Amino acid sequence: DTAVSQTPKYLVTQMGNDKSIKCEQNLGHDTMYWYKQDSKKFLKIMFSYNNKELIINETVPNRFSPKSPDKAHLNLHINSLELGDSAVYFCASSQGRGVTEAFFGQGTRLTVV
Amino acid sequence: QQQVKQSPQSLIVQKGGIPIINCAYENTAFDYFPWYQQFPGKGPALLIAIRPDVSEKKEGRFTISFNKSAKQFSLHIMDSQPGDSATYFCAASINPYSGGGADGLTFGKGTHLIIQP
Repeated sequence: DTAVSQTPKYLVTQMGNDKSIKCEQNLGHDTMYWYKQDSKKFLKIMFSYNNKELIINETVPNRFSPKSPDKAHLNLHINSLELGDSAVYFCASSQGRGVTEAFFGQGTRLTVV
Repeated sequence: QQQVKQSPQSLIVQKGGIPIINCAYENTAFDYFPWYQQFPGKGPALLIAIRPDVSEKKEGRFTISFNKSAKQFSLHIMDSQPGDSATYFCAASINPYSGGGADGLTFGKGTHLIIQP
């Protein structure tokens, strides 16, 4: 069974559209994250959720909004997509905050045209 | 400031050689230093991690060396194999319970490693 799964794996959409990426983890972890990997492969954290509470929100546009219906899911909603949003988005989870192993999903490659 | 500097950007080593990837950090509040391995089309996967109270850690062919005073740490891959060809990321994080604030990992910019047969 996949520990951290994301859907879809690929997403191609037009500028201005609204889209969502889903993430589920079956590890029983209490903290989930979203990371963005740009075209140069630089990974940067966007959000983290611990026990359904947003812990940090790095300087990402408010067009991005994480939503966690329960501890095992953290979905990413993106409104009014822009060309610069094209990237690979990774969901991750860990048990506890910060200094523990984070398990990553396989990524969602978002292409905005 | 939260920043981790990684070098080299790319590295080519012959099979059996010992690639070394270096990272340096500035924020002394960092207290967890993992290395992640990423293959094309996959998510990063934890390779090995160290905490600042230890100067070296070995797991199989992978070794982390940590120099707290210099704020540097490095990854060594012994007896490297073509299957080790991947992108390697160093990272660091702060214990949020110590008042360090932010959660999550701060990553270096990655090293694209190629092991030639």
